[in-house]
Parts: sequence; structure tokens; C-alpha cells
Amino acid sequence: DAGVIQSPRHEVTEMGQEVTLRCKPISGHDYLFWYRQTMMRGLELLIYFNNNVPIDDSGMPEDRFSAKMPNASFSTLKIQPSEPRDSAVYFCASSLYGGSVSVTHNEQFFGPGTRLTVL
Amino acid sequence: SQKIEQNSEALNIQEGKTATLTCNYTNYSPAYLQWYRQDPGRGPVFLLLIRENEKEKRKERLKVTFDTTLKQSLFHITASQPADSATYLCALELTGGGNKLTFGTGTQLKVEL
Repeated sequence: DAGVIQSPRHEVTEMGQEVTLRCKPISGHDYLFWYRQTMMRGLELLIYFNNNVPIDDSGMPEDRFSAKMPNASFSTLKIQPSEPRDSAVYFCASSLYGGSVSVTHNEQFFGPGTRLTVL
Repeated sequence: SQKIEQNSEALNIQEGKTATLTCNYTNYSPAYLQWYRQDPGRGPVFLLLIRENEKEKRKERLKVTFDTTLKQSLFHITASQPADSATYLCALELTGGGNKLTFGTGTQLKVEL
């Protein structure tokens, strides 16, 4: 398997523009997570899905952020309109629930990230 | 308030020594604690998981301890090598947390020759 795939790897945009980040999870995984990482705040969970259904979006900073998972192999994170403070590295991760006794319970596999710069 | 604290200062050690990284948490009752490694420009990579009822877990040169009374996990790398240089993140999964992880800010480890 190729692992979690994210695109684009780098995105530079101007304030006010719409940004769409894409993620393809590992085939067969039933959980998908979107994170944001900055020096100041570290790695923050934005939203996660189970079987394509959003479970917890309490980390989404505001209404400018939205995420969708139309099928098991694709998810998007959209920022509209973008602002300079949205500049960060955005990671997508996926996992397979192995049950509470699994040795690697909820091990998350991360993609390479998208580095977003909003000017 | 809930906090996960890792030493924000970088840890520099000499090759061959044991590196010990600390993860302290407050106002959490984690069911599981995980450790990840992150290299510059890459996503975190899973290393080890330890359950709340386990005291210690080992994997090759890695050892993790979990003290729910002290609310602390220690992560040890024995016989450290320059290739172990990276940032190490601890992450908590709460009981009934729906597989959601909350990450610490990470500690940067540098192993020098």
C-alpha cells in the first residue's frame, strides 16, 4: 500500500482565496483524521470521520473550515476564505479499529502533510 | 484545564547513552498512551502503545512506562544512535474517546557522536 496520500504537498495562496486540501486514506481503514500543526500550538485535531461519517468536529476553528468524506477513499478539507493565520502544515491520518485488545489499537498512519502558506 | 506537557527544550545526548523523554498530563484519564516519532518535513510515525493497566512496554531499544498515579509516561531509547534524532510526541486516547488522540507538543531529541 502507498500509505496515506495528500495533495497538494505545498500550497501558497492569497488571503481571501479558497483552499482545498485532499486526502486518500489507506485502503480498508475506517477512521480518518485531519490535523493542523504549528510551532505555537503543536498538532491539533480538527475533525475525524468513522466510516465516512463525521464524528467530532469540535476542533474546527471556525465556519471558514469544512471537511467532507464522500466515500471511503477520499476526503477534503476546505478553507474559505483563507486567512494568514491559517498558515500551517495540515496532516491527514487514517486508522483501522483493531478492538480494545489489539496490540496496535488505533495506531494512526499519517500522510506527508500539506504545507499551507496564506499571504 | 486539560494539559499534556512534554519538555519543550531540546534534549541533547551522546551516542550510546539512554535518552529519557517525559510526558505529563493533567485532568485526563487516558485509556491508552501512544508515542510517535516525527522527522522534519514528515508526518508522525507510530512507535509504541501502552494501556492504562500496563506498567511497562518494550520494543527493541525502546521502553515506555505509564504511571497513572503520577499521570506520567517515560519514553526511553537505549544505546541511542544519531539516527534516533527526531521529535517525539506522546498522545492520549481517553476512555470512550472514540479513537480520538490528543497530542503533546513533542520533545526534540538530538543524539551526537
